[in-house]
Amino acid sequence: DARVTQTPRHKVTEMGQEVTMRCQPILGHNTVFWYRQTMMQGLELLAYFRNRAPLDDSGMPKDRFSAEMPDATLATLKIQPSEPRDSAVYFCASGLVGGYSNQPQHFGDGTRLSIL
Amino acid sequence: AQKVTQAQTEISVVEKEDVTLDCVYETRDTTYYLFWYKQPPSGELVFLIRRNSFDEQNEISGRYSWNFQKSTSSFNFTITASQVVDSAVYFCALSDGPGAGSYQLTFGKGTKLSVIP
Repeated sequence: DARVTQTPRHKVTEMGQEVTMRCQPILGHNTVFWYRQTMMQGLELLAYFRNRAPLDDSGMPKDRFSAEMPDATLATLKIQPSEPRDSAVYFCASGLVGGYSNQPQHFGDGTRLSIL
Repeated sequence: AQKVTQAQTEISVVEKEDVTLDCVYETRDTTYYLFWYKQPPSGELVFLIRRNSFDEQNEISGRYSWNFQKSTSSFNFTITASQVVDSAVYFCALSDGPGAGSYQLTFGKGTKLSVIP
């Protein structure tokens, strides 16, 4: 079965450090989403791309978060500088969207981030 | 704005009992999709089902069944003869529909199901 691959699975780092999370979407999927899961807020959308173009990043703190998709096989989410409140599980999901045909989003296993 | 409400925070059942997880949604879209995802203790999010707002036909897949009622804006999920492996957090989610654009998911807060042997 095709899968969304996220790395790293776990990351522990100190406040102020840069964090980079990577995602390899399912081959052929044209839409990539980044979600964050916390106990308080649940699952919330941070940003998403279609055909590598950023369409919406309104869910991200702009001053410290950035999302890019340098090619069709790689999406990245960076936090610089990181803060303890960024501790969460970050999920990448990909789906195929095209007019009236589309496939549901499938999620990666997530990156569990802890900022000390 | 879209909203998904899962009023049941936690449910405990004894193995082999049937259990229904409730989901109520709000949207102004005329076409939309509804989803259920499972998050087992290992943490991954597993896709279970997607329903199109055009199609109110109930669906059954093995021990799982889904009851979609547009009139009450509900999309409930029933597990028949529950098993310990069904223990997980279950999320109901909503996105805009075909041709509309973003397909981003709006999630409920989840229902934690514990199946006791």
